[in-house]
Amino acid sequence: VQLAESGGDLVQPGGSLRLSCAASGFTFSINAMTWVRQAPGRGLEWVSTISGSGDSSYYADSVKGRFTISRDNSKNTLHLQMSSLRAEDTAVYYCAKVGGLKNFEYWGQGTLVTVSS
Amino acid sequence: QSVLTQPPSVSGAPGQRVTISCTGSSSNNGAGYDVHWYQQLPGTAPKLLIYANNNRPSGVPDRFSGSKSGTSASLAITGLQAEDEADYYCQSYDSSLSGWVFGGGTKLTVL
Repeated sequence: VQLAESGGDLVQPGGSLRLSCAASGFTFSINAMTWVRQAPGRGLEWVSTISGSGDSSYYADSVKGRFTISRDNSKNTLHLQMSSLRAEDTAVYYCAKVGGLKNFEYWGQGTLVTVSS
Repeated sequence: QSVLTQPPSVSGAPGQRVTISCTGSSSNNGAGYDVHWYQQLPGTAPKLLIYANNNRPSGVPDRFSGSKSGTSASLAITGLQAEDEADYYCQSYDSSLSGWVFGGGTKLTVL
């Protein structure tokens, strides 16, 4: 299993950014996927999860209405569209494969998002 | 303020045993949802260490073990080694929040 995030960047407050996660080594379309973030020097925070089919998605209250998770099963790719970004969204964003027991089985290496003027 | 409560830090000498607690509530641990543990070595991504309360993925040494009772779970590490120095996180699912939750993390220092 390999997960590789990309798209992290420096963005101004109020701006938008789209993260991607390329997956390989497993049957992507039947596995739920998730985004977890970690602010500098802080702990892990669950952000969003999407079902294997893409029909169902779930969000933390802190990002609801601002972030949108999606997936392209034809390209084995997970996305996170982030808008109305705030300084407190500054973090390393990890994508992870969700296991059948609601655990996060495999993680990518992360991509850094910095929200600052 | 994390939904799951962990001690900020623990420490132990090489060869010793340490435990890390993870206390939840009736909407997560206590509701029957499994607890999972992750190890994050400095500068790296988290790695699944224990799943479903007390199961080790392939490749995880049997020095690591987990347990759960009611709203509390614990991670035990025996025969401490220098390479165990890392941050450890517990994780579960919360039915009230309809989402996944983490503990605040525990920094393990090997003296």
